[in-house]
Amino acid sequence: QVTLKESGPGILQPSHTLSLTCSFSGFSLSTYGMGVSWIRQPSGKGLEWLASIWWNGNTYNNPSLKSRLTVSKDTSNNQAFLKVTSVDTADTATYYCAHTLGAFDYWGQGVMVTVSS
Amino acid sequence: DIQMTQSPASLSASLGETVTIECLASEDIYSNLAWYQQKPGKSPQLLIYYANSLNDGVPSRFSGSGSGTQYSLKINSLQSEDVSIYFCQQNYDSPYTFGAGTKLELK
Repeated sequence: QVTLKESGPGILQPSHTLSLTCSFSGFSLSTYGMGVSWIRQPSGKGLEWLASIWWNGNTYNNPSLKSRLTVSKDTSNNQAFLKVTSVDTADTATYYCAHTLGAFDYWGQGVMVTVSS
Repeated sequence: DIQMTQSPASLSASLGETVTIECLASEDIYSNLAWYQQKPGKSPQLLIYYANSLNDGVPSRFSGSGSGTQYSLKINSLQSEDVSIYFCQQNYDSPYTFGAGTKLELK
């Protein structure tokens, strides 16, 4: 079955770079049509799609974060990555990765990230 | 960006009732609409994809309908475990946007 799990630093300082890893099983990101997406949710608030990476290496980023996002993958090790540069307190949220086939059909448990000095 | 307007923001209903949640897209999304359920402290879970297709394992009391810009999620015979926040999301065009959510509570 498909499972995903996010990992990250927990807390980091403003202006630093947030690096998150999504480790998954049950599918391959080299299989046609497969994708992994990143979505975040500030505590008590709604969901915001951040980025997606597809089996063919194509990536889509949310332009609201301008050029702060980089998404990548390591197909051999079944991992996807998200980097967010120049973080500030507004980036404090739970970050999810999700298997993507159009809709986000499997989600990780999420990792809470706090940006604080 | 495609804006997703979800209503109502909150809803209170009794056990056994039928409830409907609406989602309006700012442009035609050609049925590329998903519904998610999120229970407190948990990840969202996919209920409906492509507007009206029930995801595996989702009870049949959940159903989705709509086309163009207007979509709805219906829950028949409300159960206590349906107390959650529900989100719609369009996956027609990037950036893939969500509705603000509907908080469903028991009366």
